Amino acid sequence: GAGVSQSPRYKVTKRGQDVALRCDPISGHVSLYWYRQALGQGPEFLTYFNYEAQQDKSGLPNDRFSAERPEGSISTLTIQRTEQRDSAMYRCASSLGRPNTGELFFGEGSRLTVL
Amino acid sequence: GQQVMQIPQYQHVQEGEDFTTYCNSSTTLSNIQWYKQRPGGHPVFLIQLVKSGEVKKQKRLTFQFGEAKKNSSLHITATQTTDVGTYFCAGKISNQFYFGTGTSLTVIP
Repeated sequence: GAGVSQSPRYKVTKRGQDVALRCDPISGHVSLYWYRQALGQGPEFLTYFNYEAQQDKSGLPNDRFSAERPEGSISTLTIQRTEQRDSAMYRCASSLGRPNTGELFFGEGSRLTVL
Repeated sequence: GQQVMQIPQYQHVQEGEDFTTYCNSSTTLSNIQWYKQRPGGHPVFLIQLVKSGEVKKQKRLTFQFGEAKKNSSLHITATQTTDVGTYFCAGKISNQFYFGTGTSLTVIP
């Protein structure tokens, strides 16, 4: 497709289960970002990649959160042993990665609900 | 902690009135971007400002970047119902974009 694709769009899970959220960026986009957005708040930075290299993971809340982008394209955000406080909209964005053309293209998001 | 703050959090205006949202950072920004998010939608890029004191216009929208590159504003002239949504600034710090808290705009017909 032409845009950033995220799956699943909705995920309901029980506390303690692991979840994997997938992001398929726009073809050719170098940079990929993961954000978390609570209702009524702005997107909160989690981590980002240039190609397959994770450049910054300082926004990941704790070690239950991890992300990878093994071939420099599709990325997976994994949350282990989910907790209710992990419930949120998880958004992926990609960009060309050039210094002065940093427009972020967002996907529709994955809404996670932890019961 | 929150690095980029935005005010006001909410704004209700009559159609035809002007609207302004302000963005402030405690840290000097490499650049700043503005996004619009419609209810139920995802953030959509509006513009990027890079230079100190830069002003850009898009039809009824005027964007400014402060001289110290720590603040920015978005001004909409003569609002229309199609302007409804939440407007976010995103400041670039150390190659990451930190989003503001957003200003939710309601336009009353």
